[in-house]
Amino acid sequence: EAGVTQFPSHSVIEKGQTVTLRCDPISGHDNLYWYRRVMGKEIKFLLHFVKESKQDESGMPNNRFLAERTGGTYSTLKVQPAELEDSGVYFCASSQDHQGRTEAFFGQGTRLTVV
Amino acid sequence: RKEVEQDPGPFNVPEGATVAFNCTYSNSASQSFFWYRQDCRKEPKLLMSVYSSGNEDGRFTAQLNRASQYISLLIRDSKLSDSATYLCVVNIGGGFKTIFGAGTRLFVKA
Repeated sequence: EAGVTQFPSHSVIEKGQTVTLRCDPISGHDNLYWYRRVMGKEIKFLLHFVKESKQDESGMPNNRFLAERTGGTYSTLKVQPAELEDSGVYFCASSQDHQGRTEAFFGQGTRLTVV
Repeated sequence: RKEVEQDPGPFNVPEGATVAFNCTYSNSASQSFFWYRQDCRKEPKLLMSVYSSGNEDGRFTAQLNRASQYISLLIRDSKLSDSATYLCVVNIGGGFKTIFGAGTRLFVKA
């Protein structure tokens, strides 16, 4: 069974440009989460989808970030326009359990560098 | 105060040692607790869930104290392969929001 896959694995963009990150969760997992780890800091929750609905987006840093999950399958996270402080590793995770009691499986992350 | 706090580390221990990690959380509405392991430049992977009754998986033992809002992880007979960052993870409010600790780095040396 395929795990959570993220694309691209690395992205280097200039300040002011747009970047779109993609996450394909494990098939059948309704729950999809986005997280971010900036250098030297802990992993931070960004948002949680249940199917195509945003269940909790309290961790989204500002309106330059837009996450979508059309059709309840894969998800995209767009940063527009990117700023230097957006650099970090963006992880996606998925899980079956709606109550968060079971394991969330992580993708390998997208390392974003804004220069 | 951070919502989830862990020992800052790093912990440097010899092979065969026993090492304990501590974690405290501030939100009493927290419902689910986990220890994840993250190797350098890799994704976090679940090590074990933490239950109120305490649970053990081989050399690893996890404990939860809800009254003190405290979680622990004990590793016995450390192996070189245990070297990694250990993340304390708490789900709040029915699992809708996941909070990570900053992680504790463990180095096991021969």
